Amino acid sequence: QVRLQESGPGQVRPSETLSLTCTVSGGPINSGGYHWAWIRQHPVKGLEYIGYIDDSGDTYYRPSLTSRLSISRDTSQKQIFLRLTAVTAADTAVYYCARESIYGTEYWGQGTRVIVSS
Amino acid sequence: EIVLTQSPGTLSLSPGEGGNVSCRASQRVSSGYVAWYQQKPGQAPRLLIHGASNRAMGIPDRFSGSESGTDFTLTISRLEPEDYAMYYCQQYGNLPTTFGRGTKLDVK
Repeated sequence: QVRLQESGPGQVRPSETLSLTCTVSGGPINSGGYHWAWIRQHPVKGLEYIGYIDDSGDTYYRPSLTSRLSISRDTSQKQIFLRLTAVTAADTAVYYCARESIYGTEYWGQGTRVIVSS
Repeated sequence: EIVLTQSPGTLSLSPGEGGNVSCRASQRVSSGYVAWYQQKPGQAPRLLIHGASNRAMGIPDRFSGSESGTDFTLTISRLEPEDYAMYYCQQYGNLPTTFGRGTKLDVK
């Protein structure tokens, strides 16, 4: 059974960098044709797709976040990383990592709440 | 990006009843890659339907999905108490993946 677990700081100051880690168990992250995605859920705006890293290490970033976003991985540790610079209050959300395929987003972490505040 | 317009915002039904949630895409979704999710408070979304009409593993057959052009429908029949939740559509055929704003299914 695939499991994903997000970790990171619960609060980040405005203009600083948000760093989150997603630890995967139950299978490798560099095979299978999957996308390992980050998705966030704003209190009001709803679910927003951030981007992914695929099993080859290629990435896709949401166009509006490209200048601030980096997604990377450590295949030996089975970890996916999100780095978002220059955060503002608009980045306050619950952040999920998830595994997606042509069969939809089948596996989600439990989510980690991030508040941007001084 | 593709905008998904989901309706109604709230659907009030009694246990045992059935109902539909609609999701209209602003343009054609490649390969009909539309999914439906259920989300309960404090939990991550749970995949119900993928590819517009295919039930995910372990999902009861009272959940079904259909497609007509750019219109997608989630049908829930014979409502059980555990079905009261938020429901979201998602298109994953065109990047960026986008989600509808959600439909709250509550008790009538």
